[in-house]
Amino acid sequence: AQSVAQPEDQVNVAEGNPLTVKCTYSVSGNPYLFWYVQYPNRGLQFLLKYITGDNLVKGSYGFEAEFNKSQTSFHLKKPSALVSDSALYFCAVRDRSSGTYKYIFGTGTRLKVLA
Amino acid sequence: EAQVTQNPRYLITVTGKKLTVTCSQNMNHEYMSWYRQDPGLGLRQIYYSMNVEVTDKGDVPEGYKVSRKEKRNFPLILESPSPNQTSLYFCASSWDRELNSPLHFGNGTRLTVT
Repeated sequence: AQSVAQPEDQVNVAEGNPLTVKCTYSVSGNPYLFWYVQYPNRGLQFLLKYITGDNLVKGSYGFEAEFNKSQTSFHLKKPSALVSDSALYFCAVRDRSSGTYKYIFGTGTRLKVLA
Repeated sequence: EAQVTQNPRYLITVTGKKLTVTCSQNMNHEYMSWYRQDPGLGLRQIYYSMNVEVTDKGDVPEGYKVSRKEKRNFPLILESPSPNQTSLYFCASSWDRELNSPLHFGNGTRLTVT
C-alpha cells in the first residue's frame, strides 16, 4: 500500500541555520513527490515537486529537496532558515503505476524557526 | 486572480442536518478533489473527480457525496452529518489528471457538528 511518513511532528531551528524536514515514502512504482506548506488559516501552497530527472529539486522561497530512490526519501531542505518559514509542511506522493489518480499526504511537520 | 473558492469558511451545524460546502475554481482545471485535515492524521482524500460527471472515492468517502455537473464546481454534500465529521475541509484542483502538476487549494472550511 502507498504511504508517506513524516517522522517528526515538530522541528525547531534557529534563524540562519540550515533546516531539514524529513519525508520517506512507500509506493509500488515510480512516484511523483511533492512538498506543500500551510500557513495559519490558509490552504496548502505548493513548494516543489519531483517527477523525473535531477535528484535535487529547487522550489519556492529558497527551499530544495533531494530525491533518494534507494532510501525512498524526499527530504526538504533550506540552507538558511527564516522566522517567516515557520509553518506546517506536508509531503505528498502519487504512485504513477497504481492506476489511481490521488495523492497520499504525510501527517505534517510543524517547523518553528526561532529568532 | 486564479483561485479555488470554498464557502463557507466556518460552519456549525447539528447532527443530521444536511449541508453542502461549495467549491469553485476559475482555472479550467480538469481534476478536483476534497480532503479533510485532522490533527495527527494529515490530509485524507474524500472524493476526487477527473472531469465532468466523473467522480471516484478517495480514502475516507463514508458519509459524503459529491457531484461534478460543471467543470468549475465540485460541491461536497453531507446528507446526515455526524460529530465525527467535525474537521477542516479543503477543496483542491489541478490542471491535469495525471497529477504531475501541483494542486491548488482553497482556504478551507472548518465544520463543527454538534
